[in-house]
Amino acid sequence: AQSVTQLGSHVSVSEGALVLLRCNYSSSVPPYLFWYVQYPNQGLQLLLKYTSAATLVKGINGFEAEFKKSETSFHLTKPSAHMSDAAEYFCAVSSPDYKLSFGAGTTVTVRA
Amino acid sequence: KAGVTQTPRYLIKTRGQQVTLSCSPISGHRSVSWYQQTPGQGLQFLFEYFSETQRNKGNFPGRFSGRQFSNSRSEMNVSTLELGDSALYLCASSVDFGSTDTQYFGPGTRLTVL
Repeated sequence: AQSVTQLGSHVSVSEGALVLLRCNYSSSVPPYLFWYVQYPNQGLQLLLKYTSAATLVKGINGFEAEFKKSETSFHLTKPSAHMSDAAEYFCAVSSPDYKLSFGAGTTVTVRA
Repeated sequence: KAGVTQTPRYLIKTRGQQVTLSCSPISGHRSVSWYQQTPGQGLQFLFEYFSETQRNKGNFPGRFSGRQFSNSRSEMNVSTLELGDSALYLCASSVDFGSTDTQYFGPGTRLTVL
């Protein structure tokens, strides 16, 4: 079975500081991993996805994530936080039986 | 290309009633999935349809059902509503949801059960 764990339900960063959101996965097959962002009262927007083509994946809005098989991790980073990055972020893993399994989410607040 | 659309956006019902939510996928997408999002349980998979066939169903009671039409539009129905059914219901579509395919999400339907 596939699952993900997001470490830290809330992260607070200063504007301009590094954003680091942690995700660890468990998968019985080669994992395909996703990061989504959700703004208040909206659906989920894809930030980036890993499908084994490259371990460092670049996404939208300056975000990137690195797949580390030895650590079973897929952490999301952004070098410099912007006020507009305040949102909830979800890590997800897809499975061969046609579903996404999501982590519990990490809420990011950005301090001016 | 238009995104995934969901109607209605907001809905208020009372316990015991039933409700039908609608989802129109992105043009050309044949897979539609539904998820329930609540503060306590997070995002949980409800079901996935492809070409009018349900390929997977999550761990929800039989009060939750869905279907997909030949034009790939999908509906989900919840009968005998309970207070705990209050949630944001998200629909997602993809071309053919295999492990690497991306699911694109709609804005959701916010259901409140009183």
